[in-house]
Amino acid sequence: RKEVEQDPGPFNVPEGATVAFNCTYSNSASQSFFWYRQDCRKEPKLLMSVYSSGNEDGRFTAQLNRASQYISLLIRDSKLSDSATYLCVVGSSASKIIFGSGTRLSIRP
Amino acid sequence: DTGVSQDPRHKITKRGQNVTFRCDPISEHNRLYWYRQTLGQGPEFLTYFQNEAQLEKSRLLSDRFSAERPKGSFSTLEIQRTEQGDSAMYLCASSGRTANSPLHFGNGTRLTVT
Repeated sequence: RKEVEQDPGPFNVPEGATVAFNCTYSNSASQSFFWYRQDCRKEPKLLMSVYSSGNEDGRFTAQLNRASQYISLLIRDSKLSDSATYLCVVGSSASKIIFGSGTRLSIRP
Repeated sequence: DTGVSQDPRHKITKRGQNVTFRCDPISEHNRLYWYRQTLGQGPEFLTYFQNEAQLEKSRLLSDRFSAERPKGSFSTLEIQRTEQGDSAMYLCASSGRTANSPLHFGNGTRLTVT
């Protein structure tokens, strides 16, 4: 079983739709959680950190469920520019930061 | 803050040759990471430095791979006797001193072994 698992997608949704991704992790001692965005043939870029109480940044909302060991990302009012691969990242220490395989999102006009 | 920079951006080499990549992290970051990424996969951890000390190395990293960070600033990743399976994007990232600091990535070095 992978340490961090994501649905690879692709998710293909119309512009303006709401879309949600989940990610599960296996290490219950994990301490840090992030969502990264990666465009084709580019480096990953931090989208947002995920905090225990959940957090929101504009159209993006991240949630953490420690009991069930998953994190989620919700994108509201999706834009064409949201098309990318979204990477779930979980850290259990400074040296152990694991990336999921990514979920591909495609927004259609 | 000029961000994390990597050099070269692209490298094409013949099987059996040695290659070396360089990473310059964000100047105030003491943590440095190397990852490898192939198409359709997430970044795969290779090694981690805190200052000049290499504290973690993936079991996936064969003895053909070596990384250094001699003065706790820039880092190099060398691959000896390259194989076609080494073809990938090699990503360097750095992070700050506070707990749970996120990683900041460079543009990566794309290696093609022919």
